[in-house]
Amino acid sequence: NAGVTQTPKFQVLKTGQSMTLQCAQDMNHEYMSWYRQDPGMGLRLIHYSVGAGITDQGEVPNGYNVSRSTTEDFPLRLLSAAPSQTSVYFCASSYSTGRDTIYFGEGSWLTVV
Amino acid sequence: GQSLEQPSEVTAVEGAIVQINCTYQTSGFYGLSWYQQHDGGAPTFLSYNALDGLEETGRFSSFLSRSDSYGYLLLQELQMKDSASYFCAVRDNTNAGKSTFGDGTTLTVKP
Repeated sequence: NAGVTQTPKFQVLKTGQSMTLQCAQDMNHEYMSWYRQDPGMGLRLIHYSVGAGITDQGEVPNGYNVSRSTTEDFPLRLLSAAPSQTSVYFCASSYSTGRDTIYFGEGSWLTVV
Repeated sequence: GQSLEQPSEVTAVEGAIVQINCTYQTSGFYGLSWYQQHDGGAPTFLSYNALDGLEETGRFSSFLSRSDSYGYLLLQELQMKDSASYFCAVRDNTNAGKSTFGDGTTLTVKP
């Protein structure tokens, strides 16, 4: 069972570069989201989507774009990387109903130098 | 909006019982969930309370009191492998099911 798959696992970027973190899920979940987690901190919501073609901003959306062209895929784009975006990024998915468990990808460690 | 508060750190010894509290402010939510995250790993689901009261899953139990805006995770018979961060989370029932997490509690289990 693949679950939620994120790539790449590790990435080093130079300030100003752009990149895309890929996320795919094979559970037919409507709800997908991206979180960032800074050292010793909790999970902060960047963007989320409740279905193909529908996205919305979370708590810390600045500097990031998302799109949801299919149910399976939810890529996160860093437009112009900044050192403040050094973090661990988690993609997550679930059904859209209330109690459903949130499944997380393994994380992507991003360093911006 | 949603906000959740948890203690930042808890320390206990092997075999003991520990309770991690979570207080929340929310405009409406389905229930309170708990997730575990080991160092370098992804959060994984532990427990969920939709209704007031206690839910038990093996060594772990979780409690919710909606009237007090309060919940807790109870870990019994602590083992070294329980050393991890624990997050409470709520799922908004008015805003497209958006999930908000607390900042997490780091549990250290000592021999």
